[in-house]
Amino acid sequence: SQQGEEDPQALSIQEGENATMNCSYKTSINNLQWYRQNSGRGLVHLILIRSNEREKHSGRLRVTLDTSKKSSSLLITASRAADTASYFCATGDVQGAQKLVFGQGTRLTINP
Amino acid sequence: ETGVTQTPRHLVMGMTNKKSLKCEQHLGHNAMYWYKQSAKKPLELMFVYNFKEQTENNSVPSRFSPECPNSSHLFLHLHTLQPEDSALYLCASSQPGLEETQYFGPGTRLLVL
Repeated sequence: SQQGEEDPQALSIQEGENATMNCSYKTSINNLQWYRQNSGRGLVHLILIRSNEREKHSGRLRVTLDTSKKSSSLLITASRAADTASYFCATGDVQGAQKLVFGQGTRLTINP
Repeated sequence: ETGVTQTPRHLVMGMTNKKSLKCEQHLGHNAMYWYKQSAKKPLELMFVYNFKEQTENNSVPSRFSPECPNSSHLFLHLHTLQPEDSALYLCASSQPGLEETQYFGPGTRLLVL
C-alpha cells in the first residue's frame, strides 16, 4: 500500500520565497527521508530524519517530523531557480530499512 | 552525478526484443536496487540485492530478470515486454545498515512499442 503522500502535488512560487511541502504516511517508521529529482533524472538524497527526532536542518532545508500525526514537512528557505524539481518523501520501515516507500512527490517550480 | 551509472540512458524496443539494462556503482556499497518510475505513479521498488544475493522481489513479472554478478554491477534483463512497461528504470545502491541512504543513478528511459 502507498505510504508517503506529498501535499501539495504542485507548488509554484517566486524566487526568494520559502517553499513548504508536506508528507503523510501510514505505518510505523524507522526514519523518513527526502529526495529531490530533476526532470527525468535520478533522485538525490537531501536529508534523513530519525523517528526519535523532531526537527533537522541542512543548509536551507528544514525538516520536521511528527510521529503522532504520521507527518513530515520540508521547508526550503530563500528559494532559487535551481531548486525547481520534484521532491519525494520516503519512509524506512521498522522491519527493513531497505524497503523505502516513496510518495508521488511535489513538483516545485521557482519562478525568477 | 552520483557514483552510480546506468546504460543505456534511453532505449526503444519492440515487444519481441530482448535487451538488458546495466547499472554500476563506484561507492563501495553492498546493496543494489531496481526501481520503476511510471508517469503519475509513485516510485516502485522492484528488486533488492544484498552482497550479490536477491533479498527482495516485489512481485515483479518474470519478463524482468535481474542479475547481480558482484556488488558493483546490476543488470535487468528484459524480454517480451508490454507497452505498459514503458517507464524510467532507476538503479540505486546503499550500504546495508539501520539508516540507509540510497544513491540513485540517472535512470534508463525505456519505451516499449
